[in-house]
Amino acid sequence: EAGVAQSPRYKIIEKRQSVAFWCNPISGHATLYWYQQILGQGPKLLIQFQNNGVVDDSQLPKDRFSAERLKGVDSTLKIQPAKLEDSAVYLCASSRDRGSEYFGPGTRLTVL
Amino acid sequence: LAKTTQPISMDSYEGQEVNITCSHNNIATNDYITWYQQFPSQGPRFIIQGYKTKVTNEVASLFIPADRKSSTLSLPRVSLSDTAVYYCLVGGREAGNNRKLIWGLGTSLAVNP
Repeated sequence: EAGVAQSPRYKIIEKRQSVAFWCNPISGHATLYWYQQILGQGPKLLIQFQNNGVVDDSQLPKDRFSAERLKGVDSTLKIQPAKLEDSAVYLCASSRDRGSEYFGPGTRLTVL
Repeated sequence: LAKTTQPISMDSYEGQEVNITCSHNNIATNDYITWYQQFPSQGPRFIIQGYKTKVTNEVASLFIPADRKSSTLSLPRVSLSDTAVYYCLVGGREAGNNRKLIWGLGTSLAVNP
C-alpha cells in the first residue's frame, strides 16, 4: 500500500511570511496527526484528527498555526506568520483506529 | 501523561545483540508500549508494540516484566543499517483516543564495523 505523502519536502521562507504543508494519509486511515520535530528532539504532537474532527490540538500555537482536514482525507497545516523558532521538520502520520502510526517523510522548514 | 526514560546514546558493533531499556514508572493499566525507529531525514517507523511479557516479530523482540514499569527492545545481530534513533512510547490504543503520547529524545544507536 502507498505510504503517507507530504509536500513540499523542503521549504525556505523569511520570518513573518506564510507557509502551508500538505499531507495525504494512507487510504482508509481515519486518524491523522501533525508533528513538529526540532533538530535533536523527538516529535511533538501539534494536532490529531479523527476523520475530519479535531481530537487534540492542545499543543498547537493557535495564534499562528492552523490545520484542517476537509472531507476526512487530506490535510493542510499552515503557519502565518512564521517565526525563526518554527524552523523544524513537520511530520504527518496516519493510523487506523487501533493501529500504530505511519509517518510520512516530513517537510523541512527553514525560517530565515 | 506517561513519560519514558531511555539512554541518550549507545554504541555497538556489527553482529552483536543490542538491548535498549526504557523506563516508564507511571504506565497506566490500558497503556501499550511502542517502539519506533528513525533514520536521518525520514519519519519514524514502527518497530514493535506490546502490552506484557514478550513480543517478537521479524525485526525485534520486546521484553516487558510483570510490573510493566520498564521494557527492553532487543535487536538481534545488528548491522550498520540499524544505526538510527530509537524511541519508546507509552499510551493507549482506543479508537479516537487522546493518547497524550510524549516523545522523548530517544536513544541514538551507533553500529560500528
